[in-house]
Amino acid sequence: QQQVKQSPQSLIVQKGGISIINCAYENTAFDYFPWYQQFPGKGPALLIAIRPDVSEKKEGRFTISFNKSAKQFSLHIMDSQPGDSATYFCAASDNQGGKLIFGQGTELSVKP
Amino acid sequence: KAGVTQTPRYLIKTRGQQVTLSCSPISGHRSVSWYQQTPGQGLQFLFEYFSETQRNKGNFPGRFSGRQFSNSRSEMNVSTLELGDSALYLCASSLGGQGYEAFFGQGTRLTVV
Repeated sequence: QQQVKQSPQSLIVQKGGISIINCAYENTAFDYFPWYQQFPGKGPALLIAIRPDVSEKKEGRFTISFNKSAKQFSLHIMDSQPGDSATYFCAASDNQGGKLIFGQGTELSVKP
Repeated sequence: KAGVTQTPRYLIKTRGQQVTLSCSPISGHRSVSWYQQTPGQGLQFLFEYFSETQRNKGNFPGRFSGRQFSNSRSEMNVSTLELGDSALYLCASSLGGQGYEAFFGQGTRLTVV
């Protein structure tokens, strides 16, 4: 019940296309859902986050869509660029002592 | 504002040894969490400290321990190192309380030989 399942494991998108990464969870106590971007040799960087009281949040080219009833959330990267090529992690937290449960990650490659 | 600083960046240790990793959080942040990242298991939560107290602990053996100082800096210790402890160890800082946003350091790459 503590798991967060992320798909796909890898994704190849053409420059200018839309990248979509999906996550699903079981624990209804989760109330915070961030996405992180990680480049090789670097720590994860917080991209965007959402709470269950909204269904969508947009920041620049990045949008989170949240479906509370289905217990799913997704990251959309519009107008994908080669510089977006990185590993993306979804995560969830239930405000229990700062613990984040991470998905397995999606390796995104944006082809020029 | 300076980010999260982890030292050292790289470490090579021998099986059976112990190691201490350090994390300096963002100024004003009182919560420090530690994570282990491996290709097989992904990012796994080790423990979290808030105001010098461990608030939460993941499913790791007792060989993994940590502490937090009054200036919020944190250390993580792994005793009796095993080959499987080779990983990227990341720390994240946040305000704590209701402040969820967690910011990660660049990590310490530990190799056990």
